[in-house]
Amino acid sequence: SYELTQPLSVSVALGQTARITCGGNNIGSKKVHWYQQKPGQAPVLVIYRDSNRPSGIPERFSGSNSGNTATLIISRAQAGDEADYHCQVWDSTTKYVFGTGTKVTVL
Amino acid sequence: EVQLVESGGGLVKPGGSLRLSCAASGISFSHAWMSWVRQAPGKGLEWVGRIKSNTDGGTADYAAPVKGRFTISRDDSKNTLYLQINSLKTEDTALYYCTTPYSGYDYGFNYWGQGTLVTVSS
Repeated sequence: SYELTQPLSVSVALGQTARITCGGNNIGSKKVHWYQQKPGQAPVLVIYRDSNRPSGIPERFSGSNSGNTATLIISRAQAGDEADYHCQVWDSTTKYVFGTGTKVTVL
Repeated sequence: EVQLVESGGGLVKPGGSLRLSCAASGISFSHAWMSWVRQAPGKGLEWVGRIKSNTDGGTADYAAPVKGRFTISRDDSKNTLYLQINSLKTEDTALYYCTTPYSGYDYGFNYWGQGTLVTVSS
């Protein structure tokens, strides 16, 4: 089965750039989606198909995907960006796969 | 406004059964491929299964840990998605979300409900 690995936690200084990685075998051949989940709330799609932002998502959120690693980038981090972030792909065998999740702390 | 509202969760003993429901509004439900995703306390998201629209065959697929115990169905006349859970195990304890990749099966899950909590304990 296909697996996605994320760091348990990432810390970023206020106003700086956070990079959250999502590792998977040849993930660059798949489309990666990213979700933000704040405590007690449902996930929210923040990036779809590697680098596209749904309407209403700030331009500070961007994404890239190549080789064995996809990356979610949060520029000019704000206190409101503190949340868990989950990557997700579609795999022909396993169907939908989520990453292990990363807790982002803004210092 | 899109709304997905789950219900039916509760406390159940190991080996028991539950049926979860998800009432949809604000979307063309009959055309939507719907999924269930769960989240155990303090853990990440786990895809449970999905059902295609009836116009695309209406078939369901399941994650390996739940195959044979969970059944997804839909009633397009009621705009409602169901998840029948049998032979419950303690590891099925989780918040169960209803969601849909409404823009396309590989465009991300763009609509989510608030979840319904299933607790399996003796």
